[in-house]
Amino acid sequence: QVPLQESGPGLVKPSETLSLTCTVSGGSSSGYYWSWIRQSPGRGLEWIGYMYYSGSTNYNPSFQSRVTISVDTSKNQFSLKLGSVTAADTAVYYCARHVAVAGSPFDYWGQGTLVTVSS
Amino acid sequence: DIQMTQSPSSLSASVGDRVTVTCRASQYINNYLNWYQQRPGKAPKLLIYTASILQSGVPSRFSGSGSGTDFTLTISSLQPEDFATYYCQQSYKTPLTFGGGTTVDI
Repeated sequence: QVPLQESGPGLVKPSETLSLTCTVSGGSSSGYYWSWIRQSPGRGLEWIGYMYYSGSTNYNPSFQSRVTISVDTSKNQFSLKLGSVTAADTAVYYCARHVAVAGSPFDYWGQGTLVTVSS
Repeated sequence: DIQMTQSPSSLSASVGDRVTVTCRASQYINNYLNWYQQRPGKAPKLLIYTASILQSGVPSRFSGSGSGTDFTLTISSLQPEDFATYYCQQSYKTPLTFGGGTTVDI
């Protein structure tokens, strides 16, 4: 088992930065991509981006200008920062793992955390 | 971006029924197609990867097929715990994208 657990504020004000952390327990972070995915009724499931444990990243162009994914290997955590949020960023945010080979699926997901953007 | 289109968006079925969900990619994705099951309030769960390989622990009544742009998820005999929403996802190239989902209800 590779439990993933998201944590962070459930409420963010418009124009501010959404910050979430995913803690990985029960396994090594090496050899995997660590992704953030969100889900909302209006937009469905959207892949935001991933980080390789070495620090390299790959972002969805839809979020490129305002997203940062980083990793803290000493704590087995990786983080998401999404800037300049609006109500459209209200969603359940998931962290997920996929093996660092071409075409790999998301084999482990966190339980998800709801983030609401509202003043 | 590669668009993933699922059909139908919802279907009603009974326990024991054979159910088929289709997924079409807007461009060639080889066999880099994955299927997930999501129950209400839960995270998606991987069922099938690379179009036809059953994830460990997933019942054999689930199967997947297809290649190129057209794919199918089949549940051979629907069980009560299978009433859920099913998503396809392409892992051929980034940005990784998902279908809109197919809800299977009673």
